Amino acid sequence: DAGVIQSPRHEVTEMGQEVTLRCKPISGHDYLFWYRQTMMRGLELLIYFNNNVPIDDSGMPEDRFSAKMPNASFSTLKIQPSEPRDSAVYFCASSQTVSGKKAFFGQGTRLTVV
Amino acid sequence: QQQVKQSPQSLIVQKGGISIINCAYENTAFDYFPWYQQFPGKGPALLIAIRPDVSEKKEGRFTISFNKSAKQFSLHIMDSQPGDSATYFCAASGAGGYNKLIFGAGTRLAVHP
Repeated sequence: DAGVIQSPRHEVTEMGQEVTLRCKPISGHDYLFWYRQTMMRGLELLIYFNNNVPIDDSGMPEDRFSAKMPNASFSTLKIQPSEPRDSAVYFCASSQTVSGKKAFFGQGTRLTVV
Repeated sequence: QQQVKQSPQSLIVQKGGISIINCAYENTAFDYFPWYQQFPGKGPALLIAIRPDVSEKKEGRFTISFNKSAKQFSLHIMDSQPGDSATYFCAASGAGGYNKLIFGAGTRLAVHP
C-alpha cells in the first residue's frame, strides 16, 4: 500500500485566495483525520470522519475552514479565504479505529499564505 | 482536561546514552498512549504504544514506562543513535467523548556522535 497520500506537498498562495488540500487514505481504513501542525500550537486535530461522515469538527478554527469526504478514498480540506495565520503543515491521517490507534499519517502539505 | 503535557521541549544526548521523554495527562478516560516519531519533512509515524493495564512495554531499544496512579508515562530510548534524532510526540486517547488522539507538544531529540 502506498500509504496516506496528500497533495500538494507545498502550496504558496496569496491572502484571500481559496486553498484546497487533498488526501487519499489507506484503502480499508474507515477513519480519516485532518491535523494542523505549527510551532506555536503543535499538532491540532481539526476534524475527523468515520465512513465518510464528519464526526467531530470542533477543532476547525473558523468558518473559513471546511472539509469533505465524498467517498472512502478521498477527502479535501478547504480554506476560503486564506489568511497568513493559516500558514502551517496540514496532515491527513487514517486508521481503522476511532481513537487513532495505529494511525498512519501522510507526508503533509506545507501551506504558506503571503 | 484533554491536555497532554510533554517535557522536555528539546534534548541532547550522546551516542550510546539513554534518552528519556516524559508525558503527563489529567483525563482518566484516556486508555491508549502511543508515541510518534517525526523526521523533518515527514509525517508522524507510530513508534510504540501502551495501554494502562501494563506498566511497561519494550520494543527493541524503545521502552514505554507507565505510571497509572501518577498519570504519567515516559519513553526511554536505550543506546541512542544519531539516526534517532527526530521529534517525538506522546499522545493519548480514550473512549466515548475522548476518543480523539491528543498530542503532546513534542520533544526535539538530537543524538550527537
